[in-house]
Amino acid sequence: LAKTTQPISMDSYEGQEVNITCSHNNIATNDYITWYQQFPSQGPRFIIQGYKTKVTNEVASLFIPADRKSSTLSLPRVSLSDTAVYYCLVGAPYNQGGKLIFGQGTELSVKP
Amino acid sequence: EAQVTQNPRYLITVTGKKLTVTCSQNMNHEYMSWYRQDPGLGLRQIYYSMNVEVTDKGDVPEGYKVSRKEKRNFPLILESPSPNQTSLYFCASSSIAGARTDTQYFGPGTRLTVL
Repeated sequence: LAKTTQPISMDSYEGQEVNITCSHNNIATNDYITWYQQFPSQGPRFIIQGYKTKVTNEVASLFIPADRKSSTLSLPRVSLSDTAVYYCLVGAPYNQGGKLIFGQGTELSVKP
Repeated sequence: EAQVTQNPRYLITVTGKKLTVTCSQNMNHEYMSWYRQDPGLGLRQIYYSMNVEVTDKGDVPEGYKVSRKEKRNFPLILESPSPNQTSLYFCASSSIAGARTDTQYFGPGTRLTVL
């Protein structure tokens, strides 16, 4: 199972671009990389998912280098409402037999 | 509306008193899972189920039981709760049939306190 490592916390200011990197050295060939966002007292919610290179949606971008041993979630022009914990997850239920391991997450604090 | 529901949302109980936290999803998902979340430890998987009557242990299964008799329901059972099971619990579900993704939909959480 791929284990992920993320920074415990990050600070930013409104309007800045925030990049959160996740290390996953043991990623398997068929694994996908998924990022979740969690607000206090709520369940995590899906942000973005990718396999290689770059993926972009209306919320974020995900950059994955060729060796896929890391990935970077990029949040453009953050606002106060982006203050949350961000989790990186590697794998897929049917590849791993169902067991999933989340990292500790990165607590992002956006200041005015 | 597609959703995962959990009940109860808040529960205070005493050591040794059996309890069940229910989880239900209306998306016809095959995969369901329970997590607990504790400060500084992130999300840790307790049990998961790949389909009806198929369950397996996650990272922290001790002290918990689950069952999957119907596709939509995945209850979490604490036969004899202890204070170290005080935590925030999340249920999640996802589709795996023919899908490449593991995008999980999470419930709103159940905050359990065991005195």
